[in-house]
Amino acid sequence: QLQLQESGPGLVKPSETLSLTCAVSGGSIRSSNYCWGWIRQPPGKGLEWIGGIYYSGSTYYNPSLESRVTMSVDTSKNQFSLKLSSVTAADTAVYYCTRRPRSYFEYWGQGTLVTVSS
Amino acid sequence: QSALTQPASVSGSPGQSITISCTGTSSDVGGYNYVSWYQQHPGKAPKLMIYDVSNRPSGVSNRFSGSKSGNTASLTISGLQAEDEADYYCSSYTSSNTYVFGIGTKVTVL
Repeated sequence: QLQLQESGPGLVKPSETLSLTCAVSGGSIRSSNYCWGWIRQPPGKGLEWIGGIYYSGSTYYNPSLESRVTMSVDTSKNQFSLKLSSVTAADTAVYYCTRRPRSYFEYWGQGTLVTVSS
Repeated sequence: QSALTQPASVSGSPGQSITISCTGTSSDVGGYNYVSWYQQHPGKAPKLMIYDVSNRPSGVSNRFSGSKSGNTASLTISGLQAEDEADYYCSSYTSSNTYVFGIGTKVTVL
């Protein structure tokens, strides 16, 4: 059974860079069949697609966040990462990592809350 | 990209059927058979319930069904049970090669 586990700082200061990692277990990240990605959910609000990355390195980002987002894959550690720069309070959210076979988000991590505050 | 439109809340009594709508445009819901639905209980990660408009993943109850007409997709829950009380989100692939979610619907079992 595939499992995804997010990790990273729970508190980030405004204007700094948010960095999260998603460890993949129970399966290999080295598959062209899947897109590995991130979705976030501000407290009490809905879901927002951030973007995704294939193990080849091809990336797809939400246009509203594209200028601040960078995703990467580390096949040696079977994990992938998210960096979001110049954060503000509006970036406070639970961040989920996901696996997408085609057009749907099949597996989700448990989520990690990141708060942006000084 | 604008969020897909869903009713804020839907309620029903145990055993009844309810339907949640998800309205988009011809650039997302109407243009592709790539609508999916997710169930989210408080404090938990979303769970895939329906993919590609009407397909159920293994392990999801057949009380859940999906359909689409034009720019509107729908999720129907039949034989409503207490455990179905949760938030439900639709999602669609878009012509911009991105994904958009609905605003979410809170289902209450009376």
